[in-house]
Amino acid sequence: GENVEQHPSTLSVQEGDSAVIKCTYSDSASNYFPWYKQELGKRPQLIIDIRSNVGEKKDQRIAVTLNKTAKHFSLHITETQPEDSAVYFCAASQRYGNKLVFGAGTILRVKS
Amino acid sequence: DGGITQSPKYLFRKEGQNVTLSCEQNLNHDAMYWYRQDPGQGLRLIYYSQIVNDFQKGDIAEGYSVSREKKESFPLTVTSAQKNPTAFYLCASSISGNYNEQFFGPGTRLTVL
Repeated sequence: GENVEQHPSTLSVQEGDSAVIKCTYSDSASNYFPWYKQELGKRPQLIIDIRSNVGEKKDQRIAVTLNKTAKHFSLHITETQPEDSAVYFCAASQRYGNKLVFGAGTILRVKS
Repeated sequence: DGGITQSPKYLFRKEGQNVTLSCEQNLNHDAMYWYRQDPGQGLRLIYYSQIVNDFQKGDIAEGYSVSREKKESFPLTVTSAQKNPTAFYLCASSISGNYNEQFFGPGTRLTVL
């Protein structure tokens, strides 16, 4: 089955700097890659996703890139703000059904 | 965040007891999911259901059971066979099919005493 690895497990950045979180997946059949953000004590929420027919997607300060050949995808957050502090999870899903396999998560701390 | 609810928020159980966690959604979603969240391990899929009266095992189904008698409800029973049940349990729902966002409930924290 699918296996998703996520790095780093913790990341501290200064406010205004960029943050990058990387994930690798094992199953070449996976074709959908969402990113979820979970603030302390709250439920995970989708922040951005990408399909396998697209190499990059942007939404304001957030972008995701996908390299299908290398089977890895990354989340990029620019101009980080204290409210970006949270746990971020990557996930991968296969063509049939909506079953997600999640990475272990990255704790992002933005220092002001 | 509204539309999917879980109860109770906190649950305490004695060893050897079964306990049922509630998950309800009014989003008219066909698909529902149960995840277990442990520190440093992300979210792991326990069971999922794509349609009423049908469900499939996820990656860590042992010691758990579910039912899907109604579209809006997907209760999870943690049985005494689950060796390490203390965890944070999250329910989610989505439109059936590919590429669809999963919406999460607020979670239930289960502690075995």
